[in-house]
Amino acid sequence: KAGVTQTPRYLIKTRGQQVTLSCSPISGHRSVSWYQQTPGQGLQFLFEYFSETQRNKGNFPGRFSGRQFSNSRSEMNVSTLELGDSALYLCASSWAGPAEQYFGPGTRLTVT
Amino acid sequence: DQQVKQNSPSLSVQEGRISILNCDYTNSMFDYFLWYKKYPAEGPTFLISISSIKDKNEDGRFTVFLNKSAKHLSLHIVPSQPGDSAVYFCAASAQGGTASKLTFGTGTRLQVTL
Repeated sequence: KAGVTQTPRYLIKTRGQQVTLSCSPISGHRSVSWYQQTPGQGLQFLFEYFSETQRNKGNFPGRFSGRQFSNSRSEMNVSTLELGDSALYLCASSWAGPAEQYFGPGTRLTVT
Repeated sequence: DQQVKQNSPSLSVQEGRISILNCDYTNSMFDYFLWYKKYPAEGPTFLISISSIKDKNEDGRFTVFLNKSAKHLSLHIVPSQPGDSAVYFCAASAQGGTASKLTFGTGTRLQVTL
């Protein structure tokens, strides 16, 4: 069974731009969560989608948004990029809930 | 406010010996705990989990212990192998693991030496 895939793997953007990251979950998984990883901060929860609905949200500003499609694929959008948004963005999928989530390799975003 | 804490940023252990990674939490609503391992340039990989109704869970070389009164859990790896060298994250969830959010610690880098 194919794992979680994320595209692109690396991205360089300029401050003020916007960016869209994509995540394809494991086949059959309906829950997709997004996390931001920065040095010294561990993984910070962004939001989770289940059956195309945002089910939970972390403490990030409204510049961070997401959506999920009927095939469970998910996208995350960050608008008006700031230097502090430079991070590894990880997507994780699970069958129904967050326990035992399966992570993708991440998208490394660099904002200059 | 770091609700899940891994106070040791790094740990070095000799091959064949026991590795003990520690994690503390502050939120008493957490009732499901997980350990993930992360290699560079890869996403975290699920290792083992434990529900708050248990105090120990074992899977091969990996054992997780939970002390609810101390709000402390630990991951034991016996025997440690060079391939275990990675960053280990502790994570916690509320509502029996069915809640839609994992809270992670900042990770402990384990180095297993020959």
